[in-house]
Amino acid sequence: DGGITQSPKYLFRKEGQNVTLSCEQNLNHDAMYWYRQDPGQGLRLIYYSQIVNDFQKGDIAEGYSVSREKKESFPLTVTSAQKNPTAFYLCASTNTGGSSPLHFGNGTRLTVT
Amino acid sequence: AQSVTQLGSHVSVSEGALVLLRCNYSSSVPPYLFWYVQYPNQGLQLLLKYTSAATLVKGINGFEAEFKKSETSFHLTKPSAHMSDAAEYFCASYSSGGSYIPTFGRGTSLIVHP
Repeated sequence: DGGITQSPKYLFRKEGQNVTLSCEQNLNHDAMYWYRQDPGQGLRLIYYSQIVNDFQKGDIAEGYSVSREKKESFPLTVTSAQKNPTAFYLCASTNTGGSSPLHFGNGTRLTVT
Repeated sequence: AQSVTQLGSHVSVSEGALVLLRCNYSSSVPPYLFWYVQYPNQGLQLLLKYTSAATLVKGINGFEAEFKKSETSFHLTKPSAHMSDAAEYFCASYSSGGSYIPTFGRGTSLIVHP
């Protein structure tokens, strides 16, 4: 079955360490997205990519970095510059063109202490 | 700029009662509209989408939504709530012909009482 896989489900890190969250899709979607979710704040867009080797900052990109070297992969690195990294991170993908909805992974819950 | 407003961060209903979750959008061009559901510690799942083919859209799990251009609304309803409907619901939109960056509402938490 096609879908989006995020790993790991839970991640724990010490403050000051960079950490990379994985997102892989086998839906052949062009566009991929990273969202951050905090209680009561809905979804906030971190980065998005609509084509391989190209990506754009979203609303809260500071302290994060991404790469899009392959169509199916869009890893997110949470750097030590992110002041409040503890959150639930969601990856999504879709086809560009038409009215395609986003398909979401099951998320990674990152806890930094 | 687009915006999506969901009225009420929490909605509480009794099992068997009507569910009504409100969503209003603002868009200068005809939008695509979506409702998603999120269960705890999971990603979002698509409930239904509006693409201008029909104003009343039926989705999964007995949910439906009606697009009303005059009211710029896309409210989600279900005739009879079930305990398993308790979850977070998100309304989202993006404009046809625009960039593929959906605008999400802040979500409504549906609480179902026995």
